[in-house]
Amino acid sequence: IAGITQAPTSQILAAGRRMTLRCTQDMRHNAMYWYRQDLGLGLRLIHYSNTAGTTGKGEVPDGYSVSRANTDDFPLTLASAVPSQTSVYFCASSDSNNSPLHFGNGTRLTVT
Amino acid sequence: GQNIDQPTEMTATEGAIVQINCTYQTSGFNGLFWYQQHAGEAPTFLSYNVLDGLEEKGRFSSFLSRSKGYSYLLLKELQMKDSASYLCAVMDSNYQLIWGAGTKLIIKP
Repeated sequence: IAGITQAPTSQILAAGRRMTLRCTQDMRHNAMYWYRQDLGLGLRLIHYSNTAGTTGKGEVPDGYSVSRANTDDFPLTLASAVPSQTSVYFCASSDSNNSPLHFGNGTRLTVT
Repeated sequence: GQNIDQPTEMTATEGAIVQINCTYQTSGFNGLFWYQQHAGEAPTFLSYNVLDGLEEKGRFSSFLSRSKGYSYLLLKELQMKDSASYLCAVMDSNYQLIWGAGTKLIIKP
């Protein structure tokens, strides 16, 4: 089934640990995005990639890094997790600028 | 700054009609999206408006007025499964999506 796969589904992480959230899509979409969703706030863009080999910073990039080695994969890394990074993380992709976003099922991350 | 406003929560009755409003102030405009998000799930695309007017898609319709910075999502013949959050998002002049905090819709029998 075509779509976006995120892993893990959920994770409890000790503060200071490093963590990579995985995201893979099989729709051959050029653009990919990482968002975090917190209660009472809109989705906030962390990083994005318009095409393989390029990445850009979103609204809340501090403490996160991404890479886009190929079209399908867009991992998000927390180098040294902090409790304020407790959130639900969604990966999304789109075919072009004005196309709707397709979202993965999310990763619920708790940093203790 | 850029801002999207939508009500935090609304309650409606099964079988009725509900209108969820969204007002926006953004740097430029390249379209407005509505998404549905059930609790614990990912957002899913509902509608896209870039020109003024009403777009109808089954029980759901979306309206846009660019001059007023205003949109609404109209849900008819409400069903219990329509209980969800509805997210309004505007694409600005840089093709960045600005998201509202979402409207939680509660449907009562």
